[in-house]
Amino acid sequence: AQTVTQSQPEMSVQEAETVTLSCTYDTSESDYYLFWYKQPPSRQMILVIRQEAYKQQNATENRFSVNFQKAAKSFSLKISDSQLGDAAMYFCAYRSAGKGGKLVFGAGTILRVKS
Amino acid sequence: EPEVTQTPSHQVTQMGQEVILRCVPISNHLYFYWYRQILGQKVEFLVSFYNNEISEKSEIFDDQFSVERPDGSNFTLKIRSTKLEDSAMYFCASSPHYEQYFGPGTRLTVT
Repeated sequence: AQTVTQSQPEMSVQEAETVTLSCTYDTSESDYYLFWYKQPPSRQMILVIRQEAYKQQNATENRFSVNFQKAAKSFSLKISDSQLGDAAMYFCAYRSAGKGGKLVFGAGTILRVKS
Repeated sequence: EPEVTQTPSHQVTQMGQEVILRCVPISNHLYFYWYRQILGQKVEFLVSFYNNEISEKSEIFDDQFSVERPDGSNFTLKIRSTKLEDSAMYFCASSPHYEQYFGPGTRLTVT
């Protein structure tokens, strides 16, 4: 079974600075998808960014980018120019490539943004 | 932009009672899911649904749980006899292929 590990329970960043959240995963599969979800205090789960394992190029969505290292099974999220609205719980998630695959989540990292 | 919706936003029920949590997935999506999150813990998969049948379920999804797509739009999760440990946030998600989009959740409190 696949597992996802987020080793940082909590991180802090100064407004306008850059922060990186770590995620590692364990799988024997070669084709899969990885995601970062943001959960603000409202507890809504918001998709931030996605990465297909077969793509070598790291995904980018505005201020959010990933560092995907397939051999190391690492998938970190970088947030540039941090804003107060970025404060939330961030979950890393893994999905097998087959049809209708479930998401396997990490334990989450709380991100605090200081003004 | 289309969204997944869930009702109610908060449900309080007594232990042993039946509850039905409702979801309206995004209309052209084919795959539907239920997840739950006990306060302070990780999000856990319950069940996935495709082509009007369960495609996968977790160990949590025992005989007290059931899912249904009663019409072309709704997707429901029924808990037959609630227990205190069922208190959690329940999320519905839908997917056109591999990305999953979540609803705002239903907070279930069992007293």
